[in-house]
Amino acid sequence: DIQMTQSPSSLSASVGDRVTITCRASQSINTHLNWYQQKPGRAPKLLIYFASILQSGVPSRFSGSGSGTDFTLIISSLQPEDFASYYCQQSYSTPWTFGQGTKVEI
Amino acid sequence: QVQLQESGPGQVKPSQTLSLTCTVSGAPINSGGHYWGWIRQPAGKGLEWIGRIYTSGGTNYNPSLKSRVTISMDTSKNNFSLRLSSVTAADTAMYYCTKEGGGSLTTIFDFWGPGTVVTVSS
Repeated sequence: DIQMTQSPSSLSASVGDRVTITCRASQSINTHLNWYQQKPGRAPKLLIYFASILQSGVPSRFSGSGSGTDFTLIISSLQPEDFASYYCQQSYSTPWTFGQGTKVEI
Repeated sequence: QVQLQESGPGQVKPSQTLSLTCTVSGAPINSGGHYWGWIRQPAGKGLEWIGRIYTSGGTNYNPSLKSRVTISMDTSKNNFSLRLSSVTAADTAMYYCTKEGGGSLTTIFDFWGPGTVVTVSS
């Protein structure tokens, strides 16, 4: 299985901050990397796929980059509705695996 | 718009079989070349992919659960089901049904059900 490691596990930030979350794969996954946002009590929501392509309807303050084993999710200016947990997921080979998550708190 | 809804018992006794159904609306599960699957999340923890079923009925399972998992579909009811046998407390989690999209180039979980909590307890 491909192991996905996210950092940090949690972070504290304020509205307007630039937030960076990293995800590392245990082997190269090219750009087969997706990012999801999950709010408490809700199902995850797809934000970015293929490492950098914004899902339809997702605000442009979200961006993704990376290839191979190292990936980054950036929120350029944190908004109140962005306080949530974020998960990376590799779509290179089954079993699909997720990072352990990053909780973005006030 | 595709919508998914999980249903099934909220509590299962240890050693018994967990059974959940996902009813799909807005798309026929036996066409379109999509996968339909299950993901679970223990409270306060991360996401674990359980497995999936293709429109033709072919399946893929997570090797960590493969010996205990069966995913099937009922095209007449436009739903698909999860069975997980010999459950223990470690199987207590929120269970989500999902649609896998992305075509032939990648796989994304583009639609999710709201989830259903299953507790394994006597």
